[in-house]
Amino acid sequence: DVQLVESGGGLVKPGGSLRLSCAASGLTLSNAWMNWVRQTPGKGLEWVGLIKSNSYGGTIHYAAPVKGRFTISRDDSKNTLFLQMNSLTTEDTAVYYCTNETSGSFDCWGQGTLVTVSS
Amino acid sequence: QSALTQPASVSGSPGQSITISCTGTRSDVGAYNYVSWYQQAPGKAPKLMISDVSNRPSGISSRFSGSKSGNTASLTISGLQAEDEADYYCSSYTGSSTLYVFGTGTKVTVL
Repeated sequence: DVQLVESGGGLVKPGGSLRLSCAASGLTLSNAWMNWVRQTPGKGLEWVGLIKSNSYGGTIHYAAPVKGRFTISRDDSKNTLFLQMNSLTTEDTAVYYCTNETSGSFDCWGQGTLVTVSS
Repeated sequence: QSALTQPASVSGSPGQSITISCTGTRSDVGAYNYVSWYQQAPGKAPKLMISDVSNRPSGISSRFSGSKSGNTASLTISGLQAEDEADYYCSSYTGSSTLYVFGTGTKVTVL
């Protein structure tokens, strides 16, 4: 079975940075299309970004609200996905999920990690 | 890219059928068959229920079905059960720089 485990969330001040991790088992991340999706407290889901598999060149896409501030990367040797978040604002407060994508749907989700941006 | 529009809440009695709509535009729902549906229980991660408009992943009950007409996709839950009480979200590929958009979410209540 595929298992995704996020970590790295916490409390950070506006303008600060945080790096989230997503450790995978049962799935080789270098062969997968991996996404980050966030959910604001009490609100809905928002797509954050995608890193494609190595066979698709590892191409990365970002949602407009995070482009230029967030960076998605992957350590294939550790089978771990990362989300580096810089210049954080209160609008970035959310639970962040990593999820693998198959043909336009998000198949397996981690349990999420909470990021709170507050002074 | 605006969120897809879903009703805030839908309710039904056990055994009944309910349908949740998901309205987008001709640039997302209307343009692609990459529409999926997710169930989210309180405090839990979303769970894929329907992919590619109407495909049920392995292990998902046949009581859940999906369809699409024009810019609107729909999720139908037949034979409603207490365990179906949760939030439901649709999602669509957009083909734009923001690749995916989610729906506003629907709370399903079993009366």
